Amino acid sequence: NAGVTQTPKFQVLKTGQSMTLQCAQDMNHEYMSWYRQDPGMGLRLIHYSVGAGITDQGEVPNGYNVSRSTTEDFPLRLLSAAPSQTSVYFCASSYSPGSGADTQYFGPGTRLTVL
Amino acid sequence: AQTVTQSQPEMSVQEAETVTLSCTYDTSENNYYLFWYKQPPSRQMILVIRQEAYKQQNATENRFSVNFQKAAKSFSLKISDSQLGDTAMYFCAFMRMEYGNKLVFGAGTILRVKS
Repeated sequence: NAGVTQTPKFQVLKTGQSMTLQCAQDMNHEYMSWYRQDPGMGLRLIHYSVGAGITDQGEVPNGYNVSRSTTEDFPLRLLSAAPSQTSVYFCASSYSPGSGADTQYFGPGTRLTVL
Repeated sequence: AQTVTQSQPEMSVQEAETVTLSCTYDTSENNYYLFWYKQPPSRQMILVIRQEAYKQQNATENRFSVNFQKAAKSFSLKISDSQLGDTAMYFCAFMRMEYGNKLVFGAGTILRVKS
């Protein structure tokens, strides 16, 4: 198993540009999430999904869109990048609660810089 | 809303010694999980240890153990026989039991192990 994969590893954007951060998992996990990590603030939840076709907002959703058309993929879209979105982005996945195996597994992260 | 507080921004310890990282949390929930994640310079988020709130016994994983005080809402991590490879950022995290992909993180503690 490759686990949770994210592409790209690094990205530099100009203000106003759009892009999609890719996330994929091959563990057949129902749950997937996106977090951002900023200095001194730990990780904060952006959006999450409990299954294909179902998404919801987390703590800091503004400026980001998500969709979940398959169990494996959960892309994060920045429609018009802003310097405040400079951060490290992590994707995570897990089985559903109560399964006894609902620990979240994280991807390697994407470092995004918006100029 | 749940909050997680890590009051030690940085800690250092000599190789082979023991160190304890502190974490407190605030919640009105009764069923939840607590986690410690390690983030080395590679940026990968690695699960260190997990505690279910309904279990009175403290979780242990080799050199890592926790002191879980549910009434005090405290969840400290003890690292015994510290090794150079333990140098990393450590995050404490909370998750409500029925929300399998909504982790709430503390701000992190940087641990440096000195030779």
